[in-house]
Amino acid sequence: ETGVTQTPRHLVMGMTNKKSLKCEQHLGHNAMYWYKQSAKKPLELMFVYNFKEQTENNSVPSRFSPECPNSSHLFLHLHTLQPEDSALYLCASSQIAGDPYEQYFGPGTRLTVT
Amino acid sequence: RKEVEQDPGPFNVPEGATVAFNCTYSNSASQSFFWYRQDCRKEPKLLMSVYSSGNEDGRFTAQLNRASQYISLLIRDSKLSDSATYLCVVNPPNAGKSTFGDGTTLTVKP
Repeated sequence: ETGVTQTPRHLVMGMTNKKSLKCEQHLGHNAMYWYKQSAKKPLELMFVYNFKEQTENNSVPSRFSPECPNSSHLFLHLHTLQPEDSALYLCASSQIAGDPYEQYFGPGTRLTVT
Repeated sequence: RKEVEQDPGPFNVPEGATVAFNCTYSNSASQSFFWYRQDCRKEPKLLMSVYSSGNEDGRFTAQLNRASQYISLLIRDSKLSDSATYLCVVNPPNAGKSTFGDGTTLTVKP
């Protein structure tokens, strides 16, 4: 497989469930990102990891918990979510975080919280 | 003031038209710039980088104006398949986080 992959592609969960989103990049990159995109809204950066260290937490509620065990894998653990958390969750990677590198996105996980 | 601002549009143009989008940025120390394309319900995909000297890829031309702190994307001979949201991205110097604009929506009509 090439590029950035995300699983699952679709997820429906209740507010009391716990689930995890997985992202894997096959590009040899060292930075990985989580973004949230609600319907017809702009991208919102959630977390940035650079060389496995979290370098950015964009005031994300604690019901979202990221984990980066190595430079190729990124998880987003979800618990006690709210209906307004329903959105497309996008993972991205880049050579390193920031200048001069571009980001490559996975296809996203479309999350519905019921 | 937002760090990166784009005209949200929508831009509705006929096939064959030329259309241009601008994106302004506030951090004068910003070093690298990109245009992405996002189709409905899909992930953003890199369209092109923006170089100081300007660069062209087929029907697409990107330019950077550091003095006025904006980048532009020109699309010539628009195709129906160009309909999408176009996002500009600005990287600050060093390892700072990239900033995405909110996007400009383009619809090309027959």
